[in-house]
Amino acid sequence: EAGVTQFPSHSVIEKGQTVTLRCDPISGHDNLYWYRRVMGKEIKFLLHFVKESKQDESGMPNNRFLAERTGGTYSTLKVQPAELEDSGVYFCASSQDYRANTQYFGPGTRLTVL
Amino acid sequence: GENVEQHPSTLSVQEGDSAVIKCTYSDSASNYFPWYKQELGKRPQLIIDIRSNVGEKKDQRIAVTLNKTAKHFSLHITETQPEDSAVYFCAAVYGGATNKLIFGTGTLLAVQP
Repeated sequence: EAGVTQFPSHSVIEKGQTVTLRCDPISGHDNLYWYRRVMGKEIKFLLHFVKESKQDESGMPNNRFLAERTGGTYSTLKVQPAELEDSGVYFCASSQDYRANTQYFGPGTRLTVL
Repeated sequence: GENVEQHPSTLSVQEGDSAVIKCTYSDSASNYFPWYKQELGKRPQLIIDIRSNVGEKKDQRIAVTLNKTAKHFSLHITETQPEDSAVYFCAAVYGGATNKLIFGTGTLLAVQP
């Protein structure tokens, strides 16, 4: 069984530019989560999809962040325009059923905003 | 509020010694507590988890204990090996329809050969 995959692994952009991160969950997992780790700090929740619907987006920092999951398969997280404080590692995780709790993480995308 | 505190932030042990990492959570409704290990440049890997109806769980050299009254849970690694060196994150799930994970700040464990 393939794990959660994320693309790209690294992205370096300038302040004001746009970046789109992609996550492919484990096949059959309806639940998809986005998290972010800013350097040296904890991994923080951003949002949760159940299939194509946003279940909880309470962790999204501001309206420069837009997440989508069209068709309930892969998800994208777009940052527009990027700011310096958006730098960090963005993780995606998936779980089969939210009641099962177990979340499997992707390798992350390291975003650097210059 | 939603908060998980984790200590220590760094831990250095000699190979063969034991390592203990402690976490405290704030929401008494939390019922699931996973531990993730993240090696340098790799994804966080679930190594063990515990649910609130259990006080202790073991898997070979790794064990987790949970004290619901005190809202504490701990990771115990015995007979540490150099390959145990990594950052360890504790987390607590905040329930409802989301079950989002609230993470501690991580512990950098270094096992000296």
